[in-house]
This record gives sequence, structure tokens and C-alpha cells, in this order.
Amino acid sequence: EVQLVESGGGLVQPGKSLRLSCAASGFTFSSYSMNWVRQVPGKGLEWLSFITSSSSRIDYADSVKGRFTISRDNAKNSLYLQMNSLRDEDTAVYYCARSCGAGCWLIDYWGQGTLVTVSS
Amino acid sequence: EIVLTQFPDTLSLSPGERATLSCRASHNVDNNYLAWYQQKPGQAPRLLISDASRRATGIPDRFSGSGSGTDFTLTISRLEPEDFVVYYCQQYYISPRTFGQGTKVEIK
Repeated sequence: EVQLVESGGGLVQPGKSLRLSCAASGFTFSSYSMNWVRQVPGKGLEWLSFITSSSSRIDYADSVKGRFTISRDNAKNSLYLQMNSLRDEDTAVYYCARSCGAGCWLIDYWGQGTLVTVSS
Repeated sequence: EIVLTQFPDTLSLSPGERATLSCRASHNVDNNYLAWYQQKPGQAPRLLISDASRRATGIPDRFSGSGSGTDFTLTISRLEPEDFVVYYCQQYYISPRTFGQGTKVEIK
């Protein structure tokens, strides 16, 4: 069974940094591309970032480009999102999401999310 | 960037009725790289349909997808009580991989 478990969320002040992690299990992590998607409570979904299985290609949404960095450690079956210069509008539930293969862009599984609250 | 507009924002129907949800793209979504997700309250989204019309594993056959180019449709043939939730479309043809704003299906 595919499992994605996010951690690292919490309350952080504007301008500060936070690092989210996603622990993957139930599949061969090193063979799949991965994503981060966020959702402001009560609002819609916003795709943030994508990384291929080998980290050879990385994409970002304009809203986080230059502030957020996606990375992965295939030996640890883990995905990360380093979030710097956080803003109030970054408050959201952050989901780790698997793509359907090594270079595939379709999201087929989601974690349960971790809440990030940016507030002074 | 491809902007996806879903309509209606809210669909009010009764159990057993047919639901038709629309997703319109600002530019062609080539290869029909369009997915539909269902999200229940407090849960993560779940993949229903990929490639515009391919049902995901374990999804009941009352859910179907159609369309191409810029116009796509999710149809729920007979609404069950658990179907009254929110649905999102997403294009994965080009980055950024944008989502529609969602359609809420509510009980009339």
C-alpha cells in the first residue's frame, strides 16, 4: 500500500524558514517523480513543485520560485520542501503527492498533509 | 500558464441524479493530460480520472470523463450519498500543472 506521511508543519513567523518532510513507503520511491501541492483551508488546490526520480528535472510554481526548494533522498525514501522567507499567504495544508512514474507528471497518490501556519 | 475554469462552482442535485461537471482550459491540453480528483472533507484528494477519460483503479464505473482540447467533462451517472463533495480538474500537460477552482456537488 502506497503511504506518504508529511511532517514538519507548524506555526512559524513571517520571514522565517521551515522544512517539510515526506516519508514514502509501499512503493519503490526511487522510481517515481514527486510533487508538493498546497491548499489554503477551505480553498482550492495549488501545485507548487515537481522533482523527477533522479532529481534531474525540477519545476516550481511562480508563487514559490526562489523561496522554496524541493529535494529528495532516495536512500531514505524521503521528499523535502525547504521553505524560506515565509509569508502570511503561505499558510496552508501542504501535501506530498506521488506522480505515476519516473518522468510522469500525473499525480496518483497523496499524503494526508501537514498544516503550516505563518503568523506573528 | 494554462488556466482551468470549472463550472458550475456549486451543483445542487438529489441522490440518484446525473451530475455533469465541466472544466475549460485557456489553452489546448495536448495529449488529453487532464485529471479529475475528488476531495472529501478533511481528506486528501483522490484520483478519479486520468488522461481525460481513464478511470483510476478502484473507481466505480458511475464516474466517467470525456473531452479533449480545451473542454472536458466529468459525469457521475447516478449520485450516491458519498459523492456530494468537491471535485477538481488538473492539467499535467505543461508546467505549472494548474488546478481548476473546484466544483462542489451538494444535496438539493
